[in-house]
Amino acid sequence: NAGVIQTPRHKVTGKGQEATLWCEPISGHSAVFWYRQTIVQGLEFLTYFRNQAPIDDSGMPKERFSAQMPNQSHSTLKIQSTQPQDSAVYLCASSLAGHQDTQYFGPGTRLLVL
Amino acid sequence: GEQVEQLPSILRVQEGSSASINCSYEDSASNYFPWYKQEPGENPKLIIDIRSNMERKQIQELIVLLDKKAKRFSLHITDTQPGDSAMYFCAASACPEGADRLTFGKGTQLIIQP
Repeated sequence: NAGVIQTPRHKVTGKGQEATLWCEPISGHSAVFWYRQTIVQGLEFLTYFRNQAPIDDSGMPKERFSAQMPNQSHSTLKIQSTQPQDSAVYLCASSLAGHQDTQYFGPGTRLLVL
Repeated sequence: GEQVEQLPSILRVQEGSSASINCSYEDSASNYFPWYKQEPGENPKLIIDIRSNMERKQIQELIVLLDKKAKRFSLHITDTQPGDSAMYFCAASACPEGADRLTFGKGTQLIIQP
């Protein structure tokens, strides 16, 4: 089992550019979560899909951030007009069915906005 | 939303002694409390969890205690080893549909001193 796969592992982008982050959940897992990790804020929830449907996006900044899950094998997090404060490690996690099943984290994408 | 406070932020203990990390939460609906260990450059990994129908759980040298009345839970690592040095995060989630997101504490840097 390859675990949760995230690409790219590192991304450097200029202020105002767009960044798209990819996540492939563990095969058979129907729940996908996105979190953001910074030194100052720690681990923050962003959004959550179950069976490809958006369930909870209460942690998503309302502007510039969007997430999709077009099929069961991948999810994307898109940040438009990136700002330096978006710099963080973006972590994707998957679980068997949500419902407080264990969440397995991917290696993360380290985003640096210059 | 839920808030989780975690203390201490840094913990230094002698090898072979015990280490204790404490967390408190605000939402009485929270009923699932996982603990994650994160080593430098790695993703968070679940090490132990407890649900609200239990007061104590032990896996080898890891002990988790839950006090629902006080809204507190804690991790105790007995007979600490150098490999226990890492960041530890507590988290909480609530049962209602769609509330599977984890709210994390800010983390504890555990340093095992020889």
